[in-house]
Amino acid sequence: GQQLNQSPQSMFIQEGEDVSMNCTSSSIFNTWLWYKQDPGEGPVLLIALYKAGELTSNGRLTAQFGITRKDSFLNISASIPSDVGIYFCAGSLIQGAQKLVFGQGTRLTINP
Amino acid sequence: GAVVSQHPSRVICKSGTSVKIECRSLDFQATTMFWYRQFPKQSLMLMATSNEGSKATYEQGVEKDKFLINHASLTLSTLTVTSAHPEDSSFYICSARTGLKKYEQYFGPGTRLTVT
Repeated sequence: GQQLNQSPQSMFIQEGEDVSMNCTSSSIFNTWLWYKQDPGEGPVLLIALYKAGELTSNGRLTAQFGITRKDSFLNISASIPSDVGIYFCAGSLIQGAQKLVFGQGTRLTINP
Repeated sequence: GAVVSQHPSRVICKSGTSVKIECRSLDFQATTMFWYRQFPKQSLMLMATSNEGSKATYEQGVEKDKFLINHASLTLSTLTVTSAHPEDSSFYICSARTGLKKYEQYFGPGTRLTVT
């Protein structure tokens, strides 16, 4: 099935650093969502984006819906240990049904 | 708000038996629920979309007779893995939509199934 290209696959950073990850696709999406998953848990919704160009923040997290509708990025500022986990982008296709397409995930590791 | 629960969180069963996993929306009515499967270090794989009161829509390659889905009410969907085999061992996660935000899905905590 269709997947989003999410990068990087993994990141190893120092506590306090900023983080940036993105998702791209060859298809147009009408919604972008960013989730975080901790080990052994279900994903938790962080940010939802509905309009091209939209920039939304949730605390130290900022995400943008690309102008072309084919990409999105997530930034985390001043990382802390609890930011460790796997981040997934997800989107719904313009011509698609109600289901979401997921990226492969970005595994974030933070060195204290 | 938008809390989804799953039960059980972990289950171990013998090969050939059936296992039922429940997914409940605790503080909202979910007209649509989704069932995903996740292998270690991989992304979520959609298995089926479940609408209340109607038959589930299965993704290509998912055996509907093996993974029985029932969405009997606006707050409960069940996934039954029939005649389980070791290759069915996986992390199963459900999600639900509130209907207010069209594409936002809220996930349950997942169920770890181990078939011996």
